[in-house]
Amino acid sequence: NAGVTQTPKFQVLKTGQSMTLQCAQDMNHEYMSWYRQDPGMGLRLIHYSVGAGITDQGEVPNGYNVSRSTTEDFPLRLLSAAPSQTSVYFCASRGGPTNFYGYTFGSGTRLTVV
Amino acid sequence: GNSVTQMEGPVTLSEEAFLTINCTYTATGYPSLFWYVQYPGEGLQLLLKATKADDKGSNKGFEATYRKETTSFHLEKGSVQVSDSAVYFCALSERLTGGGNKLTFGTGTQLKVEL
Repeated sequence: NAGVTQTPKFQVLKTGQSMTLQCAQDMNHEYMSWYRQDPGMGLRLIHYSVGAGITDQGEVPNGYNVSRSTTEDFPLRLLSAAPSQTSVYFCASRGGPTNFYGYTFGSGTRLTVV
Repeated sequence: GNSVTQMEGPVTLSEEAFLTINCTYTATGYPSLFWYVQYPGEGLQLLLKATKADDKGSNKGFEATYRKETTSFHLEKGSVQVSDSAVYFCALSERLTGGGNKLTFGTGTQLKVEL
């Protein structure tokens, strides 16, 4: 089915470990983004990309890296995990040049850092 | 900066009751407004949207009207069902300096519908 696919669904890391959260979409969307969801805070933008080879920071980028080598994939890397990065992470994509189409979200990755 | 304020939950209703979830926003310019719904264990799904003042978004019996004068986008449904139990997020879209845009979300309102 077309959509945004995130892997893994669950992950437990030890403090200081690194890992990559995968995100792939098959809708040929140019715009992709990563959000984290924390209780009582809604979703906050980590990084985003407006096309292959172009990325930029959102409002909470520290401790995360991204790259966009293809239109389909937008992985999120945690460089050295910290307990403050315990959260649910969502990848989202959008087609079209305006806000008219809304965003398609993946089903999320629940990350726990111990 | 831009912000979205939603009523706190949880909201508990009986089936067939009327639903209102309040949402107000602070923004420069005229952002697009959205309601997203998140069912347990799933990602967010777009429920409805409005892109300019006085627009009414509607979907699956839910409605919301973009009110510029009161900076509000309240979600309503005339008769809720148990299957509507979920978390509802109000959001606005704003442009970023890098050429993209981002969604600014409210904190979410949990709705529980009981038989």
